[in-house]
Order: sequence, then structure tokens, then C-alpha cells
Amino acid sequence: AQKVTQAQTEISVVEKEDVTLDCVYETRDTTYYLFWYKQPPSGELVFLIRRNSFDEQNEISGRYSWNFQKSTSSFNFTITASQVVDSAVYFCALSEARWGRDDKIIFGKGTRLHILP
Amino acid sequence: DSGVTQTPKHLITATGQRVTLRCSPRSGDLSVYWYQQSLDQGLQFLIQYYNGEERAKGNILERFSAQQFPDLHSELNLSSLELGDSALYFCASSASAGTDNTGELFFGEGSRLTVL
Repeated sequence: AQKVTQAQTEISVVEKEDVTLDCVYETRDTTYYLFWYKQPPSGELVFLIRRNSFDEQNEISGRYSWNFQKSTSSFNFTITASQVVDSAVYFCALSEARWGRDDKIIFGKGTRLHILP
Repeated sequence: DSGVTQTPKHLITATGQRVTLRCSPRSGDLSVYWYQQSLDQGLQFLIQYYNGEERAKGNILERFSAQQFPDLHSELNLSSLELGDSALYFCASSASAGTDNTGELFFGEGSRLTVL
């Protein structure tokens, strides 16, 4: 069965510090997809990134970077030089690519990130 | 704006009652997903429909049911409501049946249900 664990329930850092959000996943499939979503205080869920299981290259998008390591079943998310606007709940998610069968996306419980001015 | 519309945005009702939450997916999206977000449980997957047919089922209670209509909008019916059903219910849509496209889910703003 698929499972996503975000062990950090809540993190607080001072603005401009770097912060890493951890995500560990479990799946029996060799083909799967990992995601990060952001939920700001306004409540909507915003897609950040999708990574398939065959692509272990790290990705950087501005101040955001993602580190995917299959060996440790982790897909960690780092925010560099954090800003107050980064304050949100961040969800890691997993989907097993069943191509037309059970292909639900399972979310972790989220990490609430507070960026203090 | 994700293009996914959910109504109502807020709903207050009493225990034992029944409510219907409605979702209109993005234009052209065939898949609709329902998620429940409560304070201590994060985002719980309830059910997915693809082009009118149930595709995947999560921990959806028997008191809850859903369907997707020919025009692709979906409804989530919650009956015999209990206090613990108070939560934010999200609908999401995607173009395909899961992840054979970008895998990105587009979420609505949610329907906040309060059961008193």
C-alpha cells in the first residue's frame, strides 16, 4: 500500500533562513509519481512540482529545490532564503501509476511552515 | 483561479442531516477527485471518478456517496451527519485518469462543512 510520511508537523524559521521539509514515501510499485503542493492561509491548494520515479535529478525553481532519492525513499523540499510569503502548509503526495486502474493520489499530513519576520 | 468550482463555500447543519456538495471541474477535465481535510487528518482521499465512472476509492464512509454526471460535474452526498464530519471538502480535477498526463490536480477552493 502507498503511504506518505511528513514527520515534521510544524516548523518555524526566521526570514531569510533556509528550511528543508522532509517527505518519506512507501510504495511497492517501480513506477510512481511524487508531488508537492502548497496550501497558503487562504486555503487553496497549489501544485508545486511533479516528479516521476525514473527521474532522480534534483530540480531547482527559483528559491525552491527538490531532492529525490530513491535509495532512501525520500523527496525533500528546500526553500532557500525563506520569505514570509512562504508561510503555508506544504503537502507531499504520491501516486502509483496504474494506468487506468486505481491511480489515486495520496497526501501526507502536511508540514505547517511559519516564516517569522 | 484553478477553474474548479465548488459550491457551497460554507455550510452549517445539524447532526443527522444530509448535505450535497457540488463540484464543476475545469473545462475538459474528465477526472474528479474528492478529498476531506480535517484538522488532525490532513488530506484524506475519498473517491475518484473518471468520465462518469468510479475509478478509485479511499476511506470513504458508507454514509457518504458520490457520482459524476454526464456533463462531468460531480456531487458528494453526506448523510446522517456527525460532529466528526466537520471538515473542508476539496474537489480536484485533472485531464486524465490520474497521472498519464502532467499528474497535476487542480483544486477548488473547498466547501467548509460545520456540523453542530
